[in-house]
Amino acid sequence: EVQLVQSGAEVKKPGESLRISCKPSGYGFTTTWIAWVRQMPGKGLEWMGMIYPGDSDTRYSPSFQGQVIISADKSITTAYLQWSSLQASDTAIYYCAKTTQYCSTSSCRLDYWGQGSLVTVSS
Amino acid sequence: EIVLTQSPGTLSLSPGERATLSCRASQSVSSSHLAWYQQKPGQAPRLLVYGATSRATGIPDRFSGSGSGTDFTLTISRLEPEDFAVYYCQQYDSSLIFTFGPGTKVDIK
Repeated sequence: EVQLVQSGAEVKKPGESLRISCKPSGYGFTTTWIAWVRQMPGKGLEWMGMIYPGDSDTRYSPSFQGQVIISADKSITTAYLQWSSLQASDTAIYYCAKTTQYCSTSSCRLDYWGQGSLVTVSS
Repeated sequence: EIVLTQSPGTLSLSPGERATLSCRASQSVSSSHLAWYQQKPGQAPRLLVYGATSRATGIPDRFSGSGSGTDFTLTISRLEPEDFAVYYCQQYDSSLIFTFGPGTKVDIK
């Protein structure tokens, strides 16, 4: 059974750093992309970027390029989303999701999702 | 960057009625790159349709996708109580940059 288990809720102050995690299981970690999706309170879905753990190839939305870092550790089959200096506007639920295989040559989609990690940034 | 627009913003219907949701792209999208997701309150999104027309595993056949180029449609033939939710279209480009539409909320009339 494919599962993506995300780290728990976080409460941080503006200016603090944070790294949240996503640990997939039930499939080959290095064979698909892992994406991160933001959902601000009461708002829609925003694709932030994704990483291919097999070779660490990373793609970012222009809206999030330079604002966050997406990484992965193959040795512990875990993907990460990190901030160096949080702002109140980073308050949101963050979902990780895996793609199907062979995204460059066939229909790529986000077929399994994590449960979401709530990040609250408040002074 | 391709921008997706969804209409209507909210669709108020009764169970058993037909729902037609529209997704329009700012430039042509390959049909194989267009997907639809459903999200219920407090839950993660769920993949419904990919490649514009193919249902994901376990998705009932009352859900169907159509369209090409810049205009795509998700149709729910007969609304069941569990179908009241928010629906998002999503596309990706040749650089594997994804974007989501703003969503259409289907609520109970």
